[in-house]
Amino acid sequence: GENVEQHPSTLSVQEGDSAVIKCTYSDSASNYFPWYKQELGKRPQLIIDIRSNVGEKKDQRIAVTLNKTAKHFSLHITETQPEDSAVYFCAASRSRYSTLTFGKGTMLLVSP
Amino acid sequence: SQTIHQWPATLVQPVGSPLSLECTVEGTSNPNLYWYRQAAGRGLQLLFYSVGIGQISSEVPQNLSASRPQDRQFILSSKKLLLSDSGFYLCAWSVRLGLPNTEAFFGQGTRLTVV
Repeated sequence: GENVEQHPSTLSVQEGDSAVIKCTYSDSASNYFPWYKQELGKRPQLIIDIRSNVGEKKDQRIAVTLNKTAKHFSLHITETQPEDSAVYFCAASRSRYSTLTFGKGTMLLVSP
Repeated sequence: SQTIHQWPATLVQPVGSPLSLECTVEGTSNPNLYWYRQAAGRGLQLLFYSVGIGQISSEVPQNLSASRPQDRQFILSSKKLLLSDSGFYLCAWSVRLGLPNTEAFFGQGTRLTVV
C-alpha cells in the first residue's frame, strides 16, 4: 500500500520567514495530494491540494510543488504569521474514492 | 450547504465495554464516508470507508467495525474496547460523483479514552 513520509516533525520560524514542509510517497499511481491544517483540538481542514497533472499550485501565501519522478511534494508558506501555527498534514491518494494516506504531521510554530 | 455532525465529542469508556460513534452528513447525497483515527504523535489513519449504503471497506484489521445503515449515516462500533483503541476519531465525507479524488471534509472528532 501507499506510504507517506513527512519532514520535519516540528518546525519553528520567526514571523515573516518562510516555512517548507516536505513529503515523499511510495505509490507511483497516487494522483492526488492534499495538505491539511489542524489547529489544536480542532478538525483538519484542507488548505491546498494538487493533482498529478500539475507541477505547482499557488494560493496567496501558500504554494505546493509536486515532483512525480522523485515522488515528493512540498508545502511552502511565505511571510508566516502567528496564526499559521498548527499541525500540517500531507496526504496522497490513488483511489477514485478519495481514500487518503497521511503523513505523520509537522507542528509549525511561528514566533512573533 | 453541507455539514457533518459527529458525536459525542468526548468519551471515556472502560476496557471491555462496547462503543458506538455516530456521524451524519447533511446537504449532500451519495457521499463517500470515512472513519479515521488519530493517535497521539501520529498522523491520521484510515480505518474504514464506504461508497454506499451497506458497503464498507476496512483498511486496517482491528477491534472495530463500521456500518452505513443510511446514505448519510456512518457508525463506528466495537463490541469490547481495548486500551489501544484510545485516540481521536474523525468522521469525514467527500463527493462521490464527478472528479475522482476530491476534498475530504472532517467532522469535529471524538476523543475516546479507554480506561
